[in-house]
Amino acid sequence: EMQLVESGGGLVKPGGTLRISCAGSGFRFSDAWMGWVRQAPGKGLEWLGRIQSNVDGGAVAYTAPVKDRFTISRDDSRNTLYLQIHSLKTEDTAVYYCTADPLIRGGADCWGRGTLVTVSP
Amino acid sequence: EIVLTQSPATLSLSPGERATLSCRASQTVNLAWYQHTPGQAPRLLINEDSNRAPGVPGRFSGSGSGTDFTLTISSLEPEDFAVYYCRQRGRGPRSFGQGTKVEIK
Repeated sequence: EMQLVESGGGLVKPGGTLRISCAGSGFRFSDAWMGWVRQAPGKGLEWLGRIQSNVDGGAVAYTAPVKDRFTISRDDSRNTLYLQIHSLKTEDTAVYYCTADPLIRGGADCWGRGTLVTVSP
Repeated sequence: EIVLTQSPATLSLSPGERATLSCRASQTVNLAWYQHTPGQAPRLLINEDSNRAPGVPGRFSGSGSGTDFTLTISSLEPEDFAVYYCRQRGRGPRSFGQGTKVEIK
């Protein structure tokens, strides 16, 4: 069974840097296109970015509002996806979800349960 | 970036009723639908081929192409009261609509 588990969230101060991780299991992690989505309190889902599998080129795409501060990377040897956020702002407070695209056409994608990041002085 | 506009923002219905949710894109897209219940991870309902994801009940169906799409729930069950999002996927950045909340009338 595909499973994703995020870690590394918590309380951080504005202006700081945070890296959150996502560990995958139950599937061939290196084949998956992975991504991050967040949900701020009382708001909808916001797509942040995705990284291709290395066999497909490993390209990263971000949504425009975050592309200068967010960095997505992966370590296939550790089956782990990362999201690094620089210059944290209070509006980055959200639950951050890790996602994996379906590995076969018509299959299910996979989401983690999310990790809460709170940015506050 | 591609903008997705969902309507209505809120749909107030009773169990057993039919729900029709709309999503309009600012340009031609491939579109999926998600269900999100508080405290849980979002769940893929309909993929970009307008097919139900594995395990999704038959009362959920997706239709449309190009820029106009519809999610239909033929007869609402108690567990269907949730927020529904459309999401586009292409070569560049993806995006979600702002969501439609289906609430109990």
